[in-house]
Amino acid sequence: QKEVEQDPGPLSVPEGAIVSLNCTYSNSAFQYFMWYRQYSRKGPELLMYTYSSGNKEDGRFTAQVDKSSKYISLFIRDSQPSDSATYLCAMSEGGTPLVFGKGTRLSVIA
Amino acid sequence: SAVISQKPSRDICQRGTSLTIQCQVDSQVTMMFWYRQQPGQSLTLIATANQGSEATYESGFVIDKFPISRPNLTFSTLTVSNMSPEDSSIYLCSVETGGVPYQAFFGQGTRLTVV
Repeated sequence: QKEVEQDPGPLSVPEGAIVSLNCTYSNSAFQYFMWYRQYSRKGPELLMYTYSSGNKEDGRFTAQVDKSSKYISLFIRDSQPSDSATYLCAMSEGGTPLVFGKGTRLSVIA
Repeated sequence: SAVISQKPSRDICQRGTSLTIQCQVDSQVTMMFWYRQQPGQSLTLIATANQGSEATYESGFVIDKFPISRPNLTFSTLTVSNMSPEDSSIYLCSVETGGVPYQAFFGQGTRLTVV
């Protein structure tokens, strides 16, 4: 079993939809959870960061971490065509390198 | 945050040759990382480069194949040696900055095709 599992998609939604992206993990020592967005032919950029369990909101984006279930989510409200990208979850124990999911390719159709 | 310049952005190379990828950061950073991103796959860490010491390689990656230099706190290079088509991938430079442990910022990547 890989440390981090992420459905690669592709996921296609209409503009304005709510998007839910998810990752599961097996390492209970992970403490830091991040979501990166990667546009085509670009490097990943940090979108959201969460420490331990809980929710974090930033504009149209909400990150959730459920450590008891080893499950993290990223919600995008009122999705826009500009949100079309690959979204990668990443996690770390702290003091260790990030472990990434495979990424989910999202397309938001106008 | 950190601004990372990586070059070349892409290259097509003959098998058996070597390519050196450069990574320049706009601020001094302790740790720099080199990742490989193959199509449909997650980012895989190749090695961690600290200034003034040997790079630390992850399982499956060796120094003879991926030599790394880290001459100062703002610059690093990764060489892909004796290339084969299996080395065709995107190579990414990343840095860790203060704040969140191992919060990573990335360069735009080098898209390598080996023919």
